[in-house]
Amino acid sequence: QLQLQESGPGLVKPSETLSLTCTVSGGSISSSSYYWGWIRQPPGKGLEWIGSIYYSGSTYYNPSLKSRVTISVDTSKNQFSLKLSSVTAADTAVYYCARHVAGCSGGSCYSLHFDYWGQGTLVTVSS
Amino acid sequence: DIVMTQSPDSLAVSLGERATINCKSSQSVLYSSNNKNYLAWYQQKPGQPPKLLIYWASTRESGVPDRFSGSGSGTDFTLTISSLQAEDVAVYYCQQYYSTPPVTFGPGTKVDIK
Repeated sequence: QLQLQESGPGLVKPSETLSLTCTVSGGSISSSSYYWGWIRQPPGKGLEWIGSIYYSGSTYYNPSLKSRVTISVDTSKNQFSLKLSSVTAADTAVYYCARHVAGCSGGSCYSLHFDYWGQGTLVTVSS
Repeated sequence: DIVMTQSPDSLAVSLGERATINCKSSQSVLYSSNNKNYLAWYQQKPGQPPKLLIYWASTRESGVPDRFSGSGSGTDFTLTISSLQAEDVAVYYCQQYYSTPPVTFGPGTKVDIK
């Protein structure tokens, strides 16, 4: 059974960088059949996709956050990570990591729906 | 960006009755070359992550009870719970994956027991 587990500080100061890691167990992050993504949910609000990465390292980000986001993958540890810089109180949220199914056609691959999610971790931005 | 809207914001349904949630996309999510609608539905219970219910607009994820069904095409979609159970109390989200980035979700519909 695939499991994803987020880890990282629960409290980050304004203007600093939020860093989270997602550890994948029960399956390989190097599979060509999946992308790996980050989604966040402010308290009491809806879901916002942050960005995703393919095992090859190819990334794509939400344009609204792109200037502040970096997602990376470490296949040797079966992990992928999120860095969000210059955080403010508006970045306070539960952060989820999740697996997207990948669809490939004509040599190009693209992400589809999310089929597995981590339990989420609350990150609070406060001094 | 494709904007997703949902209606109603919330609804209360008696146990055993039908619940219907609507999702509308700002542009079609139907890919003509494979005739698939690039839309998924998720269920989120309090304190839990979202759970995939439906993908390709109408394909039920493995293990999802058959009282959940998805329908629609193009820009208008529906999630139906045919006979509401107590464990179905949750917020339901639609998501498009036709045009990314960005992946976009609807704002959610809260389902309660009347």
